[in-house]
Amino acid sequence: AQTVTQSQPEMSVQEAETVTLSCTYDTSESDYYLFWYKQPPSRQMILVIRQEAYKQQNATENRFSVNFQKAAKSFSLKISDSQLGDAAMYFCAYRRSANAGGTSYGKLTFGQGTILTVHP
Amino acid sequence: KAGVTQTPRYLIKTRGQQVTLSCSPISGHRSVSWYQQTPGQGLQFLFEYFSETQRNKGNFPGRFSGRQFSNSRSEMNVSTLELGDSALYLCASSPTGGGGAAKNIQYFGAGTRLSVL
Repeated sequence: AQTVTQSQPEMSVQEAETVTLSCTYDTSESDYYLFWYKQPPSRQMILVIRQEAYKQQNATENRFSVNFQKAAKSFSLKISDSQLGDAAMYFCAYRRSANAGGTSYGKLTFGQGTILTVHP
Repeated sequence: KAGVTQTPRYLIKTRGQQVTLSCSPISGHRSVSWYQQTPGQGLQFLFEYFSETQRNKGNFPGRFSGRQFSNSRSEMNVSTLELGDSALYLCASSPTGGGGAAKNIQYFGAGTRLSVL
């Protein structure tokens, strides 16, 4: 079974600074996807960034980037130029790739989450 | 395009009752997944439906059930409610068709907060 571990229950950062959230995972599969989701106090889960395991290049979305180390099964999220609106719970998640038939099924396995506080 | 819609947003029930939660996926999405979120257990997968068929099921008792209709809307039902069923229930939909990673992104609704008294 796949497991996802976020070892930092809480992190804090000053506005405009950079923060890195850690995530490790365990799987025996070779083809999968990794995600970072953000859950603000409104409870709406919002996709921040995704990484395909077969891609060596780290994904980047504006101020958000990942450091994907497949051999080490590590998937950290870096937030640059932190903003007050980045304050939220961040979840790392794993999902296996869609099967050859093209149907999109499988489940997201989530880590325990990291609460990020941004100080003005 | 409208997002994933979950109704109701809040629900209060008493032990022993049953409850039905509804989820309307993003237009064109045919896969719907359900998750339970609690402070103690975190986010746990309940089940996933595609084309009205349950494709995957998490480790929950039989009191938790679901279904999907021909228009891809989904409902989940919890019978004989227990205090421990108090949680935020999240629904997510995934697209089909297209290529690559598009099939593997789940888009979430705002959730239904269930309180069992």
